[in-house]
Amino acid sequence: DAKTTQPTSMDCAEGRAANLPCNHSTISGNEYVYWYRQIHSQGPQYIIHGLKNNETNEMASLIITEDRKSSTLILPHATLRDTAVYYCIVRAYNDMRFGAGTRLTVKP
Amino acid sequence: KAGVTQTPRYLIKTRGQQVTLSCSPISGHRSVSWYQQTPGQGLQFLFEYFSETQRNKGNFPGRFSGRQFSNSRSEMNVSTLELGDSALYLCASSPDPSTDTQYFGPGTRLTVL
Repeated sequence: DAKTTQPTSMDCAEGRAANLPCNHSTISGNEYVYWYRQIHSQGPQYIIHGLKNNETNEMASLIITEDRKSSTLILPHATLRDTAVYYCIVRAYNDMRFGAGTRLTVKP
Repeated sequence: KAGVTQTPRYLIKTRGQQVTLSCSPISGHRSVSWYQQTPGQGLQFLFEYFSETQRNKGNFPGRFSGRQFSNSRSEMNVSTLELGDSALYLCASSPDPSTDTQYFGPGTRLTVL
């Protein structure tokens, strides 16, 4: 079973920041938080991951709370091409448990 | 670097047949994992291979099997196909199975009639 809880769907206006929350209250100390997205039943695309500290790359920022029980993925300037299902996953090894994810729709 | 490649991309089979799907990992990646994605169950882990050995297995019947070759390429096999096996089968590779990021291929869409 997935160890994360995400909203089923969210909308975001094009050009605005998209903030996608994830709850992972049972996360263990050695488990990372990973974010992937999937567009039109293509293979999931890796976005970002983190353990304790906030992380940023060219695609997004990941904010992890101090108690590590929740996190937020931030797409700073959402475009129409960011419309996808976003998965938050906690993992220690390679058997990643995907939940249902959040369907993000970016609107013009 | 080329990404993960999967062949074939689309496949149609009938109930009772068997099927073999192939996955070529990113060059230098030695770990390959397989996932099944269906509308009802979402993305589910099938198994993981590293150095030609199955390290981890999900909760699937024995009809689902796999193997990895010395060049890290992997195949998965489904025998005695059932209608419920219709799904997108995804392969992901990583350099090391422990904590390295997995990168997914485009998937093979299997339809069982």
